[in-house]
Amino acid sequence: AQSVTQLDSHVSVSEGTPVLLRCNYSSSYSPSLFWYVQHPNKGLQLLLKYTSAATLVKGINGFEAEFKKSETSFHLTKPSAHMSDAAEYFCVVTPYTGGFKTIFGAGTRLFVKA
Amino acid sequence: GAVVSQHPSRVICKSGTSVKIECRSLDFQATTMFWYRQFPKKSLMLMATSNEGSKATYEQGVEKDKFLINHASLTLSTLTVTSAHPEDSSFYICSARVLASGSGGTSTDTQYFGPGTRLTVL
Repeated sequence: AQSVTQLDSHVSVSEGTPVLLRCNYSSSYSPSLFWYVQHPNKGLQLLLKYTSAATLVKGINGFEAEFKKSETSFHLTKPSAHMSDAAEYFCVVTPYTGGFKTIFGAGTRLFVKA
Repeated sequence: GAVVSQHPSRVICKSGTSVKIECRSLDFQATTMFWYRQFPKKSLMLMATSNEGSKATYEQGVEKDKFLINHASLTLSTLTVTSAHPEDSSFYICSARVLASGSGGTSTDTQYFGPGTRLTVL
């Protein structure tokens, strides 16, 4: 069975400190993995995606994620949080390219304190 | 990146009326689009998969006669909420699928999301 687990429902950091949003997945196949960000009352914006070309994926706005097959993880990080990073973040898995359905994590709300 | 638009961005209607929401891929063709519903502070719930030129595939528990989906062209899918009731009030988001070939014979299945439509039924 395929699944994705975002380990924290919310994360709070101070501006300028590192961000870590955790995601673990379960898939019987080589998955495609994504992180999306959603600001209030907005659609989802693609931050980055894992294409199997490189395990460390760099995205927009200074975010990056590392695919660790042995740990079945795809954690999202950023060295220094900005106030504008406050939003909801979704880890998303497509277990089989072009085939099975996309699976969304429950989301992690990131709060950034001044 | 690929751009997906939705219209309208928000709509308020009376109970019993029908509302149509449009989803367009602006700079690419999408044979497959998806419709999601998002409840407050919740993740997205897939409602249906819309395939150009064929009938939509609905998820379990989603009433196909209430949520009519039409994918008439490669750049447009519409969701019509028929005889809307207050419990249909929600945030509706569409996405368009792009299959891209990568290096080493790999391919990536990416969804690009519209900005969402806030539906309020009075």
